[in-house]
Amino acid sequence: ELKVEQNPLFLSMQEGKNYTIYCNYSTTSDRLYWYRQDPGKSLESLFVLLSNGAVKQEGRLMASLDTKARLSTLHITAAVHDLSATYFCAVDKDDMRFGAGTRLTVKP
Amino acid sequence: DGGITQSPKYLFRKEGQNVTLSCEQNLNHDAMYWYRQDPGQGLRLIYYSQIVNDFQKGDIAEGYSVSREKKESFPLTVTSAQKNPTAFYLCASSGAAPEAFFGQGTRLTVV
Repeated sequence: ELKVEQNPLFLSMQEGKNYTIYCNYSTTSDRLYWYRQDPGKSLESLFVLLSNGAVKQEGRLMASLDTKARLSTLHITAAVHDLSATYFCAVDKDDMRFGAGTRLTVKP
Repeated sequence: DGGITQSPKYLFRKEGQNVTLSCEQNLNHDAMYWYRQDPGQGLRLIYYSQIVNDFQKGDIAEGYSVSREKKESFPLTVTSAQKNPTAFYLCASSGAAPEAFFGQGTRLTVV
């Protein structure tokens, strides 16, 4: 059974700092996704990573995928308050399984 | 506009009642999914369907049922057998592009 683990589950950051969220998964897959969820809202797609070594960047967020290590990272550069949200990774095998989410709070 | 629509946005269920949550997509996607999200938690897979007239159980299918009679529609019924149905329910679909798109969710409360 495919398992997806994220860490940390809670992250409190100061504005301007950098940090990385990790996503490990248990079986081979070449398709990994990162989503953002604001409180009470649905999920918004951030990144789709489809191959080993894939790297994508959007603003202060950068995602990468290492399929051999079964690891994806979401790196936050110079955090700002607007990035406060919950971030989920998801892996697509026969179905799509989600990590537990990382609740990010960026403080002034 | 193409998208995925869930209705209703809020739903109240009395004890012992069955209720049906609607999910419709006009993206021509083959795959559709139902997830449950409890407060402060991640998403747990209830059911998914890769093709019309076929669906598979996810991790927490007990107390739920689905149908996939049309490509566009994947309704979820929360039966009276589901003892703790209060949660946020999210429907998603995916197609040729690997990315999955989510509806806005239905918040179900037992009263």
